[in-house]
Formats: sequence, C-alpha cells, structure tokens
Amino acid sequence: DAKTTQPPSMDCAEGRAANLPCNHSTISGNEYVYWYRQIHSQGPQYIIHGLKNNETNEMASLIITEDRKSSTLILPHATLRDTAVYYCIVRVATGGYNKLIFGAGTRLAVHP
Amino acid sequence: NAGVMQNPRHLVRRRGQEARLRCSPMKGHSHVYWYRQLPEEGLKFMVYLQKENIIDESGMPKERFSAEFPKEGPSILRIQQVVRGDSAAYFCASSPSTEAFFGQGTRLTVV
Repeated sequence: DAKTTQPPSMDCAEGRAANLPCNHSTISGNEYVYWYRQIHSQGPQYIIHGLKNNETNEMASLIITEDRKSSTLILPHATLRDTAVYYCIVRVATGGYNKLIFGAGTRLAVHP
Repeated sequence: NAGVMQNPRHLVRRRGQEARLRCSPMKGHSHVYWYRQLPEEGLKFMVYLQKENIIDESGMPKERFSAEFPKEGPSILRIQQVVRGDSAAYFCASSPSTEAFFGQGTRLTVV
C-alpha cells in the first residue's frame, strides 16, 4: 500500500471549514484514498473514501487532484466535536479485505 | 443494526494471567480485524480473520498471542501470561466489503 504524508497538527475555528491535506505521490491506479478519524480514546470512525472523483457524504467532502498524488478532506462547518486525529490511508479496495495501515495522522483541534 | 461490539471495555490483569478479549462483528460481516494501540501511539494491525480461518497474522507477536473466529460466537483475542507491555487499547473492526467499522475497544491494563 502507498505511503501517505500528513501534517502532524492543524487548528480550525468553530464554524469554519477544516481542510486537511494528504500527499500520496506513489499511489497506484487501483488504490483508493480512505479517511478515518479517532476521537480521543474511541474506536476509529470511517469518514469517506474515493478513487479519482470527488466524493461527498453527510460528514465530509473528499477532493482528489487530477494526478491523484494528493487529496484534501473538507469538513465544511467544523464543530468542537470534530476535534480528533484524522488518518489518510491509501489501499486497494478488494472485497472484504480491509487491512488498514495507520500512520501518525493529523491532530485537528477545533477551537471556539 | 448494532455496531461492532467489544467486551469487556476495560480489563485489568495481573502479570502472568490470561486476557481474553471478545469482538462481535456487525450483522452480516464475516471479516474481523484486530488492532492494538499502545499509549500515545498509532494503531497497529495485528490479525485478520474470516470465519474459522486466520487469513493474515503478520502483525501478531509470535508468542503468547492468539486469535480465533469460530463458526458460532464472537472473535476472541487471547493473550497468555500478560506482561506490563501488553497494556494497550485493543480494537476490533469488521467489514462487509470496502470499508471497515471499528468497535470502541478494550482497554487492557496489566498490573
């Protein structure tokens, strides 16, 4: 699975958009970009994933560059409860096999 | 549809005792993953199981650790003769296809 690079920490004001970048310059054509987050001491929570098109769900939007070497997770209106460690993971999505290799992630702090 | 259920949520064991951690996957999921998170560290993959089969145990310590996922009942992560270094949060995840869903973890403390 390709390696990812994320900033170790970011700050965001409550109510503003949080834009979390991820570099994955060695991504292969059949590897997806996944985002998970871990709120303090809880189990990781799936957020979103995509291959090459931008994706949006009720939690976030995922913007993948045309060359797929980087992506951005957007939380459109961050709240205090979005304070967490966010993990960007790239992997092949084969049916049922979802071994995830977690890096250090980005620690997002949302402040009032 | 209940989420991934792990129990106990907290477990205290003395050095040398055995620890048994249970994971019930989401309904309809037949793939189970175990991860370990040491204090102030990231999550590390341990083992991937399907019903009655261990598929990938590349992250499991060679000694004292074992995992099973029987035909009936929850998946069990077993740690024999626990040591203080086994103190960690152990997370289980299950998957239907392309995304994995995690339980709330079992926090093991070895005293």
